[in-house]
Amino acid sequence: DADVTQTPRNRITKTGKRIMLECSQTKGHDRMYWYRQDPGLGLRLIYYSFDVKDINKGEISDGYSVSRQAQAKFSLSLESAIPNQTALYFCATSEGGGARYNEQFFGPGTRLTVL
Amino acid sequence: QQQVKQSPQSLIVQKGGIPIINCAYENTAFDYFPWYQQFPGKGPALLIAIRPDVSEKKEGRFTISFNKSAKQFSLHIMDSQPGDSATYFCAAGGVGYALNFGKGTSLLVTP
Repeated sequence: DADVTQTPRNRITKTGKRIMLECSQTKGHDRMYWYRQDPGLGLRLIYYSFDVKDINKGEISDGYSVSRQAQAKFSLSLESAIPNQTALYFCATSEGGGARYNEQFFGPGTRLTVL
Repeated sequence: QQQVKQSPQSLIVQKGGIPIINCAYENTAFDYFPWYQQFPGKGPALLIAIRPDVSEKKEGRFTISFNKSAKQFSLHIMDSQPGDSATYFCAAGGVGYALNFGKGTSLLVTP
């Protein structure tokens, strides 16, 4: 979905390196999310932000940090990457408030490999 | 604690069959239950969703059945087609909660 873009789409890095994954959206949504997907484990929430001044930890936030630079931008950082952070990472957005606030729109994903 | 439990992990049906995927949730405050469909190399996309004020919702060949007392909901795919082969995720959420996803079901529809 071109409304939610993620960069880079693929990244290979080495253990101990700092890496940033970026997410941008043109949907005008207030809420943004970062998930990781691993085979057999489904989608697990890392961090979420309900607006620019609101950041919340998800199920698996250890080893990750985020920055909400603007309504449209939400970045995920791995301060010191380790091999078990190898996964597929998805950014998602949703509206805030109202009956449809929980419908989430996902980006195309970033495949991260940590050697 | 896993908030949403999904089964089966994988499913193979013949074309025209009716695959059924089941989910159970824990938190009675949840009031939004979507199903997402994911094709290889793509992000998940919303397929169909239900709120607890109804017991069933149909959109085309896809139906959600919802049992509030049992805290369970399921996805039925009528007249399944090979193009329905994908991974399906159930989820549950509500006001003040982020969505909790199940672990996914890999569906293969054979010709």
